[in-house]
Amino acid sequence: EVVLTQSPAFQSVTPKEKVTITCRASQSIANSLHWFQQKPDQSPKLLIKYASQSFSGVPSRFSGSGSGTDFTLTINSLETEDAATYYCHQSSSLPYTFGQGTKLEIK
Amino acid sequence: QVQLVQSGAEVRKPGASVKLSCKTSGYTFTSDFMHWVRQAPGQGLEWMGILNPSDGTTSYTQKFQGRLTMTRDTSTSTAYMELSSLRSEDTAVYYCARSLYGDSSRWGQGTLVTVSS
Repeated sequence: EVVLTQSPAFQSVTPKEKVTITCRASQSIANSLHWFQQKPDQSPKLLIKYASQSFSGVPSRFSGSGSGTDFTLTINSLETEDAATYYCHQSSSLPYTFGQGTKLEIK
Repeated sequence: QVQLVQSGAEVRKPGASVKLSCKTSGYTFTSDFMHWVRQAPGQGLEWMGILNPSDGTTSYTQKFQGRLTMTRDTSTSTAYMELSSLRSEDTAVYYCARSLYGDSSRWGQGTLVTVSS
């Protein structure tokens, strides 16, 4: 199965900062990489699909890039409401898998 | 509006089975795949498997082979997930999710399953 490795696992950031989270796949997955946000005690929500396509209603400060094995989620001008855990997810080959998550703390 | 409403919390003893439901409304149930994802306390997301509501075909993570069964009832637009031979490590919140990474992505609210003797 495809293993997704996220970094960092935890990051403490201040509002208005730019944040970059990376996700590396154990084999090429083309652009079949998606990003989810999960806030405490909530269900996850889709942010970015197919590496760089924004999901409907997601603020423009969220963007994604990458292909093959290396992917990035960027949050420009972080807001306090962005405190959450972020997960990458691949749908290139079964079984689908998630990264281990990146927890963002807002200082 | 689109809704995925999951059944309530369950408590089971080790070795027992649990069957969870995910009742949908507001869209054509057979139009999108349904995924099941679980999250152990304080842990990350784990993809369990996928169901095609249109024809009932499924694919499961190898880890759950033999213990996991996903089914659906098209007459009530409901998806089901049954996990057998439960162990303490199966204690988790279980989510159903429509079209996980598609334009109509939507998750249920989750169901907590506690496995304890």
